[in-house]
Amino acid sequence: DIQMTQSPSSLSASVGDRVTITCRASHSITNYLNWYQQKPGKAPKLLIYAASTLQSGIPLRFSGSGSGTDFTLTISSLQPEDFATYYCQQSYSQTFGGGTTVEI
Amino acid sequence: QVQLVESGGGLVKPGGSLRLSCESSGFTFSDYYMNWIRQAPGKGLEWISYINSSGLIIYYADSVKGRFTISRDNAKNSVYLQMNSLRPEDTAVYYCARGFDYYGSETNDGLDIWGQGTMVTVSS
Repeated sequence: DIQMTQSPSSLSASVGDRVTITCRASHSITNYLNWYQQKPGKAPKLLIYAASTLQSGIPLRFSGSGSGTDFTLTISSLQPEDFATYYCQQSYSQTFGGGTTVEI
Repeated sequence: QVQLVESGGGLVKPGGSLRLSCESSGFTFSDYYMNWIRQAPGKGLEWISYINSSGLIIYYADSVKGRFTISRDNAKNSVYLQMNSLRPEDTAVYYCARGFDYYGSETNDGLDIWGQGTMVTVSS
């Protein structure tokens, strides 16, 4: 199975900060990588698919990059509604990373 | 309105069984893969199973293989998860989610619509 490792597991940031979250796959997954946002008590929401394609309705401050084994989710200017937990997921065997909680 | 609604969760004793349902609306259900994902209290997401549009392609995570069975009824716009031999570590919120493909290849590449989840508690 392909393992997904996210870092950091949590981070503290302020409104307006640029935030970067990393996801590393144990084997190459080309660009078969998704990012989700989850708020407490809610279902996850798809942010980015195919490593860098923004899902419809998602603000442009979210972006994704990477291919092969190393991927990045960037929030260019953190907004109050962005405080949440973020997960990466690979599409080969569907596994999720452990999550990154973005806290104030 | 595109929507998924899960039901069937509850409290069950170890070794018991439970059947979860997920009913869809607002899209052509028979065109899509469907998935089940779970989240133990305070933990991360764990994908556990998917089924393709026709029901002929099915995969399970190793953690549930041999105990859980996914199925679908396209006439009822619903996907199901039959859970047998339940263990305390199966305690989680169970989500169903619609799978989509990136490039029109009829694969399960991402999860774009999620239900609100249903809680399953396995405890004596």
